[in-house]
Amino acid sequence: EPEVTQTPSHQVTQMGQEVILRCVPISNHLYFYWYRQILGQKVEFLVSFYNNEISEKSEIFDDQFSVERPDGSNFTLKIRSTKLEDSAMYFCASRDGLSGANVLTFGAGSRLTVL
Amino acid sequence: AQSVAQPEDQVNVAEGNPLTVKCTYSVSGNPYLFWYVQYPNRGLQFLLKYITGDNLVKGSYGFEAEFNKSQTSFHLKKPSALVSDSALYFCAVRDLDSGYSTLTFGKGTMLLVSP
Repeated sequence: EPEVTQTPSHQVTQMGQEVILRCVPISNHLYFYWYRQILGQKVEFLVSFYNNEISEKSEIFDDQFSVERPDGSNFTLKIRSTKLEDSAMYFCASRDGLSGANVLTFGAGSRLTVL
Repeated sequence: AQSVAQPEDQVNVAEGNPLTVKCTYSVSGNPYLFWYVQYPNRGLQFLLKYITGDNLVKGSYGFEAEFNKSQTSFHLKKPSALVSDSALYFCAVRDLDSGYSTLTFGKGTMLLVSP
């Protein structure tokens, strides 16, 4: 069964450092998403991406965040200068263009710990 | 705005007994409703969805959910729980009429099924 893969599974970084989280969505999917979950809290939407541009973003997705699809297969989330409160599990998801009901396929997540 | 509430952090049930995981939602328009499950070290997996039609929706692994518009609820149910059902369950909603196409998740409910 096709999977969304994410790397790294766990990253520890110092406050102020840049972090790039990587995702390989399912190959024929057209819509890509990043969500995050701070420990014990709800899964929060960050950003959606379609046709090589951001289609929607939440208030969390400020200027410190950016996304890119550099090579047609990877989908990355960059945090320019990490803060302690960025510590969370980050989930990538994708869906095809045929499912009008938003059935997303998620990756296993990347746990980010900011010290 | 769209939102989801999962009032229980944890649900405990004995194997073979019926289980219910509660979810209520808030949207201004018509909802798409979803349940996802997360096993340890795995991504969120789609279980079932409600779009329109029959209020009782059947999904994977014997789970079902009942859409109740008057109570704005979408509780997840299973007639006979298995130990292997132990996992973290997320309810999600999309407001069809909002122009906002992304899913909003609840904080999750941990289901523990004891032998």
